[in-house]
Amino acid sequence: EVQLVESGGGLVQPGGSLRLSCATSGFTLSTYWMSWVRQAPGKGLEWVANIKKDGSEKYYVDSVKGRFTISRDNAKNSLYLQMKSLRAEDTAVYYCARDPYDRPEYFDSWGQGTLVTVSS
Amino acid sequence: SYVLTQPPSVSVAPGQTASIACGGNNIGRKSVHWYQQKPGQAPVLVIYYDNNRPSGIPERFSGSKSGNTATLTISRVEAGDEADYYCHLWDRNSAHYVFGTGTKVTVL
Repeated sequence: EVQLVESGGGLVQPGGSLRLSCATSGFTLSTYWMSWVRQAPGKGLEWVANIKKDGSEKYYVDSVKGRFTISRDNAKNSLYLQMKSLRAEDTAVYYCARDPYDRPEYFDSWGQGTLVTVSS
Repeated sequence: SYVLTQPPSVSVAPGQTASIACGGNNIGRKSVHWYQQKPGQAPVLVIYYDNNRPSGIPERFSGSKSGNTATLTISRVEAGDEADYYCHLWDRNSAHYVFGTGTKVTVL
């Protein structure tokens, strides 16, 4: 069974940092593109970043470029999102999601999400 | 940046058909996917590559495209179909994933 489990969310002050993790199981992480998607309270879905199978390509939504870094450790079956210079508008539930093809197409599996709250 | 526009809400009586539109420039040339999200839960893929259903998704869910609009159709709507629905695609020009604005389906 495919499982994605996010962790690392919490309350952080504006300007602070946080590192999210996504532990995966039930499939070979190294054969899939992976993404982070967020959802602000009461709002729609917003794609944040994705990373190629071997980590050689990374793409980001403009609003997080230079502040967020996506990475992966295939040996540890884990995906990460390092977030710096956090702003109130980064407050959201963050999901990790798997792309089932060897190129970005869509997401066939999602984690349950972890809540990040940026507030003083 | 590429934009996908959906109606904020659609209301439908049980047993009737709900149609959710997703508009985008030249969407006919792109592959469109659809997700269902119920309150407090992660999204679930219901349609991929315009009109394909993942295993476990009822045949009542179908997708289509015409011109600059993709459409998710839910036939014989049930109370359990009440949820938010999002269209989605990968925009190769910008190398960005794009989600639609989302549509709340209410079963009357």
